[in-house]
Amino acid sequence: DAKTTQPPSMDCAEGRAANLPCNHSTISGNEYVYWYRQIHSQGPQYIIHGLKNNETNEMASLIITEDRKSSTLILPHATLRDTAVYYCIVRSMEYGNKLVFGAGTILRVKS
Amino acid sequence: DAGITQSPRHKVTETGTPVTLRCHQTENHRYMYWYRQDPGHGLRLIHYSYGVKDTDKGEVSDGYSVSRSKTEDFLLTLESATSSQTSVYFCAAQRVGNTEAFFGQGTRLTVV
Repeated sequence: DAKTTQPPSMDCAEGRAANLPCNHSTISGNEYVYWYRQIHSQGPQYIIHGLKNNETNEMASLIITEDRKSSTLILPHATLRDTAVYYCIVRSMEYGNKLVFGAGTILRVKS
Repeated sequence: DAGITQSPRHKVTETGTPVTLRCHQTENHRYMYWYRQDPGHGLRLIHYSYGVKDTDKGEVSDGYSVSRSKTEDFLLTLESATSSQTSVYFCAAQRVGNTEAFFGQGTRLTVV
């Protein structure tokens, strides 16, 4: 699976959009981009995933660049409860493929 | 949580004793994973399974073994616990294909 690079930490003001970047320059054509988050030592929670089109759900939006070498997770109106570690993961759908986490980005939402 | 249950939730054990952690799922997911998480670190994959009796090593598998004799249960065993295995252990389950993984609430293991 391709490696990902994320900034170690980011701050965001409450009510503003949080934009979390992820670089995955070695991504291959059959690899999806997944985002998870982990709130204070709870089990990680799935947020969103995509292949090449932008995706939106009730939690967030995922913007993937045309060359697929980077992506941005957008939390449109961050709240204090969005303070968490956010993980960007690249994974293919090949049988037997594993789910590997990197270091992630600590997002601190401040009032 | 898609029916992921980890047991026990907390355990204190002595160095050198065997320990087994259990992950149970009710949704018939094919993939299951065991991770450990230490302070200041992300989740590190210990072992994973892509079906009954199909398991493989992750990045930190030394000192751990796993078994999956039924779809719903994935067991992690520390044959002889060491203090370096003090950690929080997370289990996850995932269907085949383009799907999300569901995580348990974690097991806090302390080896004294």
